[in-house]
Amino acid sequence: NAGVTQTPKFQVLKTGQSMTLQCAQDMNHNSMYWYRQDPGMGLRLIYYSASEGTTDKGEVPNGYNVSRLNKREFSLRLESAAPSQTSVYFCASSGGAGTSYEQYFGPGTRLTVT
Amino acid sequence: GQSLEQPSEVTAVEGAIVQINCTYQTSGFYGLSWYQQHDGGAPTFLSYNGLDGLEETGRFSSFLSRSDSYGYLLLQELQMKDSASYFCAEGSRDDKIIFGKGTRLHILP
Repeated sequence: NAGVTQTPKFQVLKTGQSMTLQCAQDMNHNSMYWYRQDPGMGLRLIYYSASEGTTDKGEVPNGYNVSRLNKREFSLRLESAAPSQTSVYFCASSGGAGTSYEQYFGPGTRLTVT
Repeated sequence: GQSLEQPSEVTAVEGAIVQINCTYQTSGFYGLSWYQQHDGGAPTFLSYNGLDGLEETGRFSSFLSRSDSYGYLLLQELQMKDSASYFCAEGSRDDKIIFGKGTRLHILP
């Protein structure tokens, strides 16, 4: 099992460009999450999907959109990148239905917006 | 709303015991998780307390007191590889968790 995979690992964008971060899990988990991590800020939830077909906003959703493509895949899109979105982005999954406390994380995408 | 407080840094000596505290203020509290993250790596799950009391997993233990809105992670027999950041995270009924800002653990030889 690969667990949670993310692509790309690194990305540099210019202000105003768009891109989609991809995430997939092979653990048959129901719930998936997108976080951003900035120095000294911990992990902040952007969006999550408690089950296939549903998505909900987290703490910092502005400037992002998500798609739960199927049970395995959950993508994060930046429509018009801004320097404030420079961060490390982590995707995570959990079994759902009361097991959100135990999440499995992907290796992260390091995004720089210039 | 949900808010967690934990120290930003803790220093301890190899072989010793260290405790990392976490306090929370929330309605609808569902339990407290702990995660470890090495520099450049992804967070990994360590422990969960859904009920009051102590949970032990090898050298690591975690404790929760709901009446005090307080928990801690206890690391025993510290090893250099335990140098990392540790995050507490609180759960809620809507299938998400909110992370604290993390505690960076420095271990001295």
